[in-house]
Amino acid sequence: SQKIEQNSEALNIQEGKTATLTCNYTNYSPAYLQWYRQDPGRGPVFLLLIRENEKEKRKERLKVTFDTTLKQSLFHITASQPADSATYLCALVLFSSGSARQLTFGSGTQLTVLP
Amino acid sequence: EAEVAQSPRYKITEKSQAVAFWCDPISGHATLYWYRQILGQGPELLVQFQDESVVDDSQLPKDRFSAERLKGVDSTLKIQPAELGDSAMYLCASSRRWGQGSGRSYNEQFFGPGTRLTVL
Repeated sequence: SQKIEQNSEALNIQEGKTATLTCNYTNYSPAYLQWYRQDPGRGPVFLLLIRENEKEKRKERLKVTFDTTLKQSLFHITASQPADSATYLCALVLFSSGSARQLTFGSGTQLTVLP
Repeated sequence: EAEVAQSPRYKITEKSQAVAFWCDPISGHATLYWYRQILGQGPELLVQFQDESVVDDSQLPKDRFSAERLKGVDSTLKIQPAELGDSAMYLCASSRRWGQGSGRSYNEQFFGPGTRLTVL
């Protein structure tokens, strides 16, 4: 069956350290993979996209890797800050009918950065 | 900066009642999505529109849920009758038409603040 798994436990790290979040998937062939941030009571906010032919993508303190052989993406936040505390969702971009695209989300990892 | 608007933000209803949620996407976005998110889980797609047409409603419980986007702009999601298990956050999102804009669009989705539904 198709499955997307993120870090099953909440992740707590100390301020200034690098947070690494994992997204594993089975029985999907995504064209792209996206990461979103979601704060309590709010909708998700897009952070980064990585294509299947890209190994790594960076944006400021964020870095995403994508290994289609392992079917895994890693999401890193360097020099983490308490303001980075949120739930982070990975989402697979799948092709649907015609030109439509769909996102299939993982359940998210709740990150807490301790001061 | 343009945002997706949703109303109401919170809705409390009793089971067997009807509820309706409204979404106004970012101007010019051809694709509109309705998601349901249960606490502790990721958003689950209910229905996807391209302009006024339904592209995918395979996960929409059609015996009680309906969605429309009559003029290809704003959209309404309705539940009738509501059940206890419908308690969740209902999120609306919009995105550009694939290929629109500079180069190819990568289908970034812009989410609204959501409607928190509680069914008693």
